[in-house]
Amino acid sequence: ETGVTQTPRHLVMGMTNKKSLKCEQHLGHNAMYWYKQSAKKPLELMFVYSLEERVENNSVPSRFSPECPNSSHLFLHLHTLQPEDSALYLCASSQADNREAYGYTFGSGTRLTVV
Amino acid sequence: AQSVTQPDIHITVSEGASLELRCNYSYGATPYLFWYVQSPGQGLQLLLKYFSGDTLVQGIKGFEAEFKRSQSSFNLRKPSVHWSDAAEYFCAVGARGYSTLTFGKGTMLLVSP
Repeated sequence: ETGVTQTPRHLVMGMTNKKSLKCEQHLGHNAMYWYKQSAKKPLELMFVYSLEERVENNSVPSRFSPECPNSSHLFLHLHTLQPEDSALYLCASSQADNREAYGYTFGSGTRLTVV
Repeated sequence: AQSVTQPDIHITVSEGASLELRCNYSYGATPYLFWYVQSPGQGLQLLLKYFSGDTLVQGIKGFEAEFKRSQSSFNLRKPSVHWSDAAEYFCAVGARGYSTLTFGKGTMLLVSP
């Protein structure tokens, strides 16, 4: 399997639930990203991992917790979310030492609905 | 910090007509510029990119874009639009040594028969 794979594709969760989003890339990239895409708003960068270290955290609430156990996998752990957290969550990867040559490769996203 | 402006939220084009989507950026040095396309419920797919050299860049699906430094623009064009081109298009800017891309708000392209 190639590219960036995100699971699940759709997730409905209650505000008291705990769930995790998974992202896996088979491109040999060494940087991974979480973006949030809400209706009528621009893409919001949430977290950046480069060589498995978190290098950027854009003031994301603590109810979102990322994890990058290796360069191929990225998780987003969710707990006690709010309805306004409902959105499409996109994972992307790139080659951090030459990212400008390739840009990002995106997954298909997880559509999250918080009820 | 860099920024990207896509002035058109929606554009409707007749099938077979030409297309131009506008993108303006703000950055103090030579930027790296990208166009992505997103179909409903899908992630973003890279259409083309500009780093240096020839200012007219060819991409996939028959798209091209032209970098104009004097106008701080990177407009996307296609000579003849197909119904399958209906999607949302995002312009993005990056910079050497910076870990992330900055995206515009997107332009939704509608194709009429």
